[in-house]
Amino acid sequence: QVQLQESGPGLVRPSETLSLNCTVSGASLSGHYWSWIRQVPGKGLEWIGHMYYSGNANYRYNPYLERRVTISVDTSKNQFSLKLTSVTAADTAVYYCVLGSGRDWFDPWGQGTLVTVSS
Amino acid sequence: QSALTQPPSASGSPGQSVTISCTGTSSDVGGYDYVSWYQQYPGKAPKLILYEVTKRPSGVPDRFSGSKSGNTASLIVSGLQTEDEAVYYCCSYAGNNRVFGTGTKVTVL
Repeated sequence: QVQLQESGPGLVRPSETLSLNCTVSGASLSGHYWSWIRQVPGKGLEWIGHMYYSGNANYRYNPYLERRVTISVDTSKNQFSLKLTSVTAADTAVYYCVLGSGRDWFDPWGQGTLVTVSS
Repeated sequence: QSALTQPPSASGSPGQSVTISCTGTSSDVGGYDYVSWYQQYPGKAPKLILYEVTKRPSGVPDRFSGSKSGNTASLIVSGLQTEDEAVYYCCSYAGNNRVFGTGTKVTVL
């Protein structure tokens, strides 16, 4: 079955760039939508964006985060990545990588990784 | 961005039913039949329990069902069991975005 695992620093300084990787097992990146979703501790969920890969990659980002977000792909490692620039404390959250349908469902989810923005 | 509106809490005794509403606008819930629901236990990742308003993934009990009317979608949990105590989130396609609900904590009394 498909499994996803997030990795990356758990602490990022304000104004710096948050970088996370998601390693996918059990499926090829090709032909699927791969998303990043975050959750502020104790709060709700927020879709960050997704990538669709089929030879080349197409991206869609949350309009409210678009100017700070980049999702990229490394097919040699079966990984996709998230970069979020100019972070503030408001970006402190658990970040999940998720397989999605494009328009509807998200399943399965990685276990999530907590990223804290603090000096 | 505006999250979809859910009641903060809902409760019921074992065997009873609870209904959780998810209210959006014509730009999200009302505009598309792409509403999904997720169950989340403390410290765990969300789990998909319904998609395309009414469809259940394999392995999800038929106690979980969904509906939609206008700008409001609903999750119905019938025959409540203790393991249903969790937080539930709705999610809707919104054109160039995906919007989640505020979350509802279900307590089994």
